[in-house]
Parts: sequence; C-alpha cells; structure tokens
Amino acid sequence: DAGITQSPRYKITETGRQVTLMCHQTWSHSYMFWYRQDLGHGLRLIYYSAAADITDKGEVPDGYVVSRSKTENFPLTLESATRSQTSVYFCASSPQGGRIVTGELFFGEGSRLTVL
Amino acid sequence: SQELEQSPQSLIVQEGKNLTINCTSSKTLYGLYWYKQKYGEGLIFLMMLQKGGEEKSHEKITAKLDEKKQQSSLHITASQPSHAGIYLCGAFINTNAGKSTFGDGTTLTVKP
Repeated sequence: DAGITQSPRYKITETGRQVTLMCHQTWSHSYMFWYRQDLGHGLRLIYYSAAADITDKGEVPDGYVVSRSKTENFPLTLESATRSQTSVYFCASSPQGGRIVTGELFFGEGSRLTVL
Repeated sequence: SQELEQSPQSLIVQEGKNLTINCTSSKTLYGLYWYKQKYGEGLIFLMMLQKGGEEKSHEKITAKLDEKKQQSSLHITASQPSHAGIYLCGAFINTNAGKSTFGDGTTLTVKP
C-alpha cells in the first residue's frame, strides 16, 4: 500500500545543473500533478497530466519539463536549475479531474530542493 | 493564487476558542477541498464539498460550501494544539480539465 511516493525527499544542487524529481503512484490514477510550495505563495501548479502521454502547463511551468510515458510515473525535470527554483515540490494524483470534482487529490510527502 | 483567496492569512487563538477560516473563489466553484499541512510535511485531506449548501464535519472541524457566494468556510470548535498547522483550500475552477488551484493557506497557531 505504497500510494504515492516522491524521490528524492531532499536534494541540494548547484545553479545550472539538471535535476529530476520522481513521482510514482500505485493506484493507476489518471491525473497527476506537480506543485511547488513557497512561503507567501501557497501551492502553485507547475504541470499536470490527464493520462499517459498527455501533459499540460499549470500556473508556473517555465524552467520545468515533464513527461508521462507510463501512467504510474510523472517525473519533473529542471533542465538548468536556478536559485528561484529552491522550493518544496509536491506530486499529487487523482482518479478524476476536470469540472466535475469526484475525487480528492492524494499528495506525496514532498521533495525539498535547494539550489545553491 | 488570485483565483482562491483565503482569509485570514494567519491566526493565533487560545486553546479552547472557536475559529473560522474562509476561502473565496473569483470563479464558479465545481467543488472544493480542504487540506491541512504541518509545515514542511505533506498535505492531509480533511474533506471535500461538492454541492451548494453542503456541510461536512470531521471531529471538531466543520466545512460548508456556499456556491452562491462562491465561498467556503472552515470552522474549528474548541481548538486544540493539535489543530495547529496550515489550512489550504483547493478547487477545480478552470474549464481546462484537470487544472486545480489552491489558496495561499492560513497558518493557525493554537496557544496552550
């Protein structure tokens, strides 16, 4: 009963490096989401995916890349990390999305990223 | 988030006191969630409201959805130190399927 797991939980990197945050869910939920959480900004949606091979931008997508080749995985890549990307990143999944809200969002424990 | 406004931003109450947190949407709500978070930790689902006038309770926490006002309120009765944390409201309010949005959160401190 692993649910949704994120890795790594903590990461320190340097400006300009590529970083990938992994997200894996065991429920076969269609929808997956990446958020970042910063003081004073709450949770902001980076990217989301409605199904394998279907992704779309959220509120703050610049500097991030996602892919979803398999339903259960939704990695988030920072191609060239910047200090402004220091944040806590949360992955979430949901069985459904869209205008009819019938399922809650299930969150991972978060990945704390520091860019020096 | 400009689409979901939470008030107040922070709240300090004495243990045993009641409190209310509000979440107001600038767009039509198609359902709303309340989550609780201890700082630096994951989000804990509290409840989901889907219909106007719907009210749900879990232990000493009650949430209500007022669709006409595009607003939800979260009420805690007889607060305890265990209620301390960050409360976030979230909703699907965009017509793009799957696009969720969250308020900026309300930080609750309960003084013993």
